[in-house]
Amino acid sequence: QAVVTQEPSLTVSPGGTFTLTCGSSTGPVTDGHYPYWFQQKPGQAPRTLIDDTSNRLSWTPARFSGSLLGGKAALTVSGAQPEDEAHYYCMLSYSGSWVFGGGTKVTVL
Amino acid sequence: EVQLVESGGGLVQPGGSLRLSCVVSGFDFSTYSMNWVRQAPGKGLEWVSYINRKSTTVYYADSVRGRFTISRDNAKNSLYLQMNSLGVEETAVYYCARAGFDSWGQGTLVTVSS
Repeated sequence: QAVVTQEPSLTVSPGGTFTLTCGSSTGPVTDGHYPYWFQQKPGQAPRTLIDDTSNRLSWTPARFSGSLLGGKAALTVSGAQPEDEAHYYCMLSYSGSWVFGGGTKVTVL
Repeated sequence: EVQLVESGGGLVQPGGSLRLSCVVSGFDFSTYSMNWVRQAPGKGLEWVSYINRKSTTVYYADSVRGRFTISRDNAKNSLYLQMNSLGVEETAVYYCARAGFDSWGQGTLVTVSS
């Protein structure tokens, strides 16, 4: 089974910009992996932010954007807010199965 | 309003079985594929299983294949996960999620312990 890798943690200042990445052990991440990005806060279910690489859901603030960058999926947050402090997970599709990354803990400080 | 409500979690001994349910409302269940995802305490998310609208296609994570069975009853707006031969490492909150992962339940906790 493929392994999906994410940065373990990241600290950003309020108003700052940060990018999280999502890599695959099988090679470059492409649109064919249909990358998803989820946000999860303590005690809550995950909430989808981005699907199909770059599609924001109706509730996703415009400061969140998804892309492919250097063979990885990427989530960029422009102008971090205190409420963006959370765990972020990416997920990739592999021929009928899905694999999550280990998650990135983002601290806004 | 779209709602997914899981139930059936609880304490089970290692090697035991449990059946989870997910009842949905607010959308036409029969037109959506569904997924189960789990999360061990303090750990990350793990996709578990998928079923399509008519139950003709199912997929499982390698870690559960052969022990877990996903099913659904469209007439009852319900999704199920039959879990057999449970190990302590499968202690987790189990979530159901609609295809597209745009809607999730709040999860049900399964604790595997003697």
